[in-house]
Amino acid sequence: GAGVSQTPSNKVTEKGKYVELRCDPISGHTALYWYRQSLGQGPEFLIYFQGTGAADDSGLPNDRFFAVRPEGSVSTLKIQRTERGDSAVYLCASSSLAGGAYNEQFFGPGTRLTVL
Amino acid sequence: RKEVEQDPGPFNVPEGATVAFNCTYSNSASQSFFWYRQDCRKEPKLLMSVYSSGNEDGRFTAQLNRASQYISLLIRDSKLSDSATYLCVVIKAAGNKLTFGGGTRVLVKP
Repeated sequence: GAGVSQTPSNKVTEKGKYVELRCDPISGHTALYWYRQSLGQGPEFLIYFQGTGAADDSGLPNDRFFAVRPEGSVSTLKIQRTERGDSAVYLCASSSLAGGAYNEQFFGPGTRLTVL
Repeated sequence: RKEVEQDPGPFNVPEGATVAFNCTYSNSASQSFFWYRQDCRKEPKLLMSVYSSGNEDGRFTAQLNRASQYISLLIRDSKLSDSATYLCVVIKAAGNKLTFGGGTRVLVKP
């Protein structure tokens, strides 16, 4: 079946601009996660949704970053007033359930964001 | 100090040889442990979970040492296709977010 998809695959923008990154999780997965991976580093957690609500947004670096998941499926990560330090690969993952037991998180191919 | 630390490598491994590397974690309350594999410019994929009793999946063996707070991965009979970055991943208590190490790069050469 279809895996996690992310669009766009690449995004180049100028410093100060606004960007939106989209994630389509695996159908039926209730949990959705955003991570950010800088060059040469491991992914870092940003935010986690269970259904429509953000269950944990402790990884968002500042108030320029915001994410929504209005219908409990597709999610959009929004970055305002982009800075060069925001350049990274933004990864989305989904899993079937969240709660006491771990359910494997399946990652999308990521969006490579470059801020000039 | 990072929560999960790994030797970045690269580990240059002759084809057919054995390679092993560790990862240390700082939070003693960590509950679940995994190794993920990431190919160049691709997404991470789960390689295997790590259990206290140790576990094996084909040529791959993972071990967890809670007392010393490290996990290990051993690859036997290395294949060229094993060349990748191996990410150590920890889940802390009462959470589902993954905490990744920086990755260990393995290059298997003929």
